[in-house]
Amino acid sequence: GQNIDQPTEMTATEGAIVQINCTYQTSGFNGLFWYQQHAGEAPTFLSYNVLDGLEEKGRFSSFLSRSKGYSYLLLKELQMKDSASYLCAVDNYGQNFVFGPGTRLSVLP
Amino acid sequence: DVKVTQSSRYLVKRTGEKVFLECVQDMDHENMFWYRQDPGLGLRLIYFSYDVKMKEKGDIPEGYSVSREKKERFSLILESASTNQTSMYLCASSLPRTGQETQYFGPGTRLLVL
Repeated sequence: GQNIDQPTEMTATEGAIVQINCTYQTSGFNGLFWYQQHAGEAPTFLSYNVLDGLEEKGRFSSFLSRSKGYSYLLLKELQMKDSASYLCAVDNYGQNFVFGPGTRLSVLP
Repeated sequence: DVKVTQSSRYLVKRTGEKVFLECVQDMDHENMFWYRQDPGLGLRLIYFSYDVKMKEKGDIPEGYSVSREKKERFSLILESASTNQTSMYLCASSLPRTGQETQYFGPGTRLLVL
């Protein structure tokens, strides 16, 4: 079966660091995507992890552990504009993705 | 710049009506997808297509059909709308997957069935 889990909501303060976790159990695994989705807008690509370890991209970093079925998205120096939902999606071989339920992040002043 | 457009941002229909949701992409992508997005459930795949005139069922195809007559256009059809089809519908497109090709999403259509 396919199961992807994320916390439903998180709150953090402007300037802080926040870690959004994603755990997965899927029938196949080729890689993991993270997307950002502002309210009422389309999801947009943030990162893709294939190998274990940390990938850094400016204020955003994404980590993957294939053996543990675990990933996280790390957001540093939080800004108000980072308030959005963050979706993890497993690329399970082939053309399709399996999405998690999404984590709604609220950044407070 | 990559662009996926959907015919309507908001739509209100009555139970039993036939509903067409249109999606157009200008990136010459082979793959196109239709998802619905509901709170707490994330994006769930309804149908997808890897080429013109072909279609494959996703995880929740019941009550829906699709049409892909041209490469750039992928239509989602609700044959007889029901209230449980009230949702946000997102279309996406991508190149054939050989690596980290992402899906590009449209802005979504929020459908309300009364």
